[in-house]
Amino acid sequence: EAGVVQSPRYKIIEKKQPVAFWCNPISGHNTLYWYRQNLGQGPELLIRYENEEAVDDSQLPKDRFSAERLKGVDSTLKIQPAELGDSAVYLCASSRLAGGEEQFFGPGTRLTVL
Amino acid sequence: RKEVEQDPGPFNVPEGATVAFNCTYSNSASQSFFWYRQDCRKEPKLLMSVYSSGNEDGRFTAQLNRASQYISLLIRDSKLSDSATYLCVVNEREGSARQLTFGSGTQLTVLP
Repeated sequence: EAGVVQSPRYKIIEKKQPVAFWCNPISGHNTLYWYRQNLGQGPELLIRYENEEAVDDSQLPKDRFSAERLKGVDSTLKIQPAELGDSAVYLCASSRLAGGEEQFFGPGTRLTVL
Repeated sequence: RKEVEQDPGPFNVPEGATVAFNCTYSNSASQSFFWYRQDCRKEPKLLMSVYSSGNEDGRFTAQLNRASQYISLLIRDSKLSDSATYLCVVNEREGSARQLTFGSGTQLTVLP
């Protein structure tokens, strides 16, 4: 079974530029999560989707971050414009059900903002 | 105050040692608990769930103390391959929503 796929794996951009990350969850997983992980910290939830509906985006900085999961399968996370403090690893995860189910993580996108 | 707190370590132990990690959580309504393992520059992966009665998987034992709001992970007979960061994860409920909250992780290095 294929795991969670993310691309790109690495991205280096200058501040004020836009950037987008893509995630394809495990087939059949209805719940998709985007996390941000800073060095030496645990992942912090940005947004959670159940199918195509964003059910928890309370931690998403909505002034510059946006996300979509139009057909309830793959998802895109966008930052526009990027700031220096956005440098982090952006992890996508999926689970079959919401809540206590095991989450399967993708390899992440390591973003560096110069 | 952080919702999920862990001792960041690092814990440096010799091969064969027994090591224990603790984690405290602030939300008494938390419902389920997990330990995830994260290797350097890799994604987190579920190590084990933590049940109220405590559970064991080979060399790994997880325990939950709801009254004191902490969970623990015990690793016996440490192997070099156990070197990783161990993330304490709590499934919290805010109203009707549930979400996983991760601790900052405890770094373990097992030395030959």
